[in-house]
Amino acid sequence: GENVEQHPSTLSVQEGDSAVIKCTYSDSASNYFPWYKQELGKRPQLIIDIRSNVGEKKDQRIAVTLNKTAKHFSLHITETQPEDSAVYFCAAPNTGNQFYFGTGTSLTVIP
Amino acid sequence: GAGVSQSPRYKVAKRGQDVALRCDPISGHVSLFWYQQALGQGPEFLTYFQNEAQLDKSGLPSDRFFAERPEGSVSTLKIQRTQQEDSAVYLCASSSLTGEDEQYFGPGTRLTVT
Repeated sequence: GENVEQHPSTLSVQEGDSAVIKCTYSDSASNYFPWYKQELGKRPQLIIDIRSNVGEKKDQRIAVTLNKTAKHFSLHITETQPEDSAVYFCAAPNTGNQFYFGTGTSLTVIP
Repeated sequence: GAGVSQSPRYKVAKRGQDVALRCDPISGHVSLFWYQQALGQGPEFLTYFQNEAQLDKSGLPSDRFFAERPEGSVSTLKIQRTQQEDSAVYLCASSSLTGEDEQYFGPGTRLTVT
């Protein structure tokens, strides 16, 4: 089955700096890679996703890059703001519609 | 429009009791997922439905766990003879077509087994 590893587990940045979170996956058949943001006590919410036919996708301050050969994808947040503080999860499916989530990155943006 | 809803939001069960957790997906969504989220961890896949068909239940931890979606909309996750290790937040998510579309999560049911 799929194995998704996520790093780092915690990340602190100064407001205005960039944050990068990386994930690796094992199932070469995976072709959809979402990123979720989960605030304390709240439900996960999709912030960006990428499919395997592109290498990069950007939405304002958030971007995701995908390297299918190396089987890794990364979340990039620029010009971080305090409201970006949350836990971020990457995910990848296997061919059977099972979704595997990473263990999460707790991001703290220091004002 | 209404999002995914789950009930109850909190459930305390004594060890050995049976519980039933309900998920109301977004109307018309074909795919429905159940996940288990332990404290400080990512959601762990339990089972997947496409309409009323349970296409994958490989993530259910034991035969005490059972899920159904008889009419292709509301789903129920049932846990029989609850154990302390079942304590977690149970999340339901739905997506409009396949699993490879945006999944919309419900608020979760926090289950505590005492």
